[in-house]
Amino acid sequence: DAGVIQSPRHEVTEMGQEVTLRCKPISGHDYLFWYRQTMMRGLELLIYFNNNVPIDDSGMPEDRFSAKMPNASFSTLKIQPSEPRDSAVYFCASSLGDSPSTDTQYFGPGTRLTVL
Amino acid sequence: DAKTTQPNSMESNEEEPVHLPCNHSTISGTDYIHWYRQLPSQGPEYVIHGLTSNVNNRMASLAIAEDRKSSTLILHRATLRDAAVYYCILRALRTSGTYKYIFGTGTRLKVLA
Repeated sequence: DAGVIQSPRHEVTEMGQEVTLRCKPISGHDYLFWYRQTMMRGLELLIYFNNNVPIDDSGMPEDRFSAKMPNASFSTLKIQPSEPRDSAVYFCASSLGDSPSTDTQYFGPGTRLTVL
Repeated sequence: DAKTTQPNSMESNEEEPVHLPCNHSTISGTDYIHWYRQLPSQGPEYVIHGLTSNVNNRMASLAIAEDRKSSTLILHRATLRDAAVYYCILRALRTSGTYKYIFGTGTRLKVLA
């Protein structure tokens, strides 16, 4: 398998614009996670899905952020409107299950977002 | 949420063992201890995890204190490729039945040739 795939790898946009980040999890994995990483706050879990259903979105910072998973092989994280403080590296990860023997998370390469 | 505390940075000489400590004094009985590492410009990758007993795999060993309030990741022979940020993480089970990975700030390991 190719691993978790994210696109784009880099995104530069202007404040107020809509940004959409994309993720393809590892085939057969039932769980998908979105994280954000900044120097100030480290790695933060934003939201995660089980079988395409959002389970915990308590980490989503505000209503400007939304995430969807229309099918088992695709998820998006959208920011509308974007602000400079959203600049960060966004990681997508997936895991086979949630038991101690299946919950290893496999991370994608990340999308580096810069909002000017 | 239970938290983890790690030193900000450590150094090691190549080919020598490295012991990376982690404190998690507020750990709950059902919380698993996970370690991930993040190489430069990459996403985190799994290293090892455990609950109560010490664990070994091809990458590292995990030593868990008897009271589970601390743990140590052991790299038996550090190589230059082991230079990374190492995260000690608690897999915390919520009363809602959901679980969450709580990432600490990590330890940046520098390996000297």
